[in-house]
Amino acid sequence: GAGVSQTPSNKVTEKGKYVELRCDPISGHTALYWYRQSLGQGPEFLIYFQGTGAADDSGLPNDRFFAVRPEGSVSTLKIQRTERGDSAVYLCASSSSGGWDTQYFGPGTRLTVL
Amino acid sequence: AQTVTQSQPEMSVQEAETVTLSCTYDTSESDYYLFWYKQPPSRQMILVIRQEAYKQQNATENRFSVNFQKAAKSFSLKISDSQLGDAAMYFCAYRSPQGGSEKLVFGKGTKLTVNP
Repeated sequence: GAGVSQTPSNKVTEKGKYVELRCDPISGHTALYWYRQSLGQGPEFLIYFQGTGAADDSGLPNDRFFAVRPEGSVSTLKIQRTERGDSAVYLCASSSSGGWDTQYFGPGTRLTVL
Repeated sequence: AQTVTQSQPEMSVQEAETVTLSCTYDTSESDYYLFWYKQPPSRQMILVIRQEAYKQQNATENRFSVNFQKAAKSFSLKISDSQLGDAAMYFCAYRSPQGGSEKLVFGKGTKLTVNP
């Protein structure tokens, strides 16, 4: 079946602009995760959804970052007033029901803030 | 907070040879999960192998195996009969079993080059 998909693949924006990054999880997966991977680093956790609700948003760096998953499937990561330091690859992952289940990752969105 | 350390930024191996990637972690928990993920240039993270801390037997998946030393907090990955397709970034990751804490904590990764 189809894996996790993310759009766009690449996004270039200017400092101060607003961006939205989309994640389509594997069909039927209730758990969804966002990670951020800066150059030369491992992924860092941002937020975890179980169904429609954010079960853990402790990784969001500040209030410019927000994520939603209104119908329990597709999720959107929203970044307001982007800064150059936000440039990174944003990875989305989903798992069947969380917990011990394997997290399946998408190919990521590379965000570049000029 | 848990931390994961991969002390080898880069490693290389000859095709068909064996290579071991190192990973250490810091935690005060007695039970947890450990993972190795592979990230090729396509950026998509792929699970290679996983280990539950309460299981003493080392996990094995075909050519991939781990050496889990709980007391030393060490979790190394051994790749046997290396193939060109094994070339990628490899990340070690830790996950707490506590409910509500589903996040993976990753190391900085090791870049593996496979020479023909």
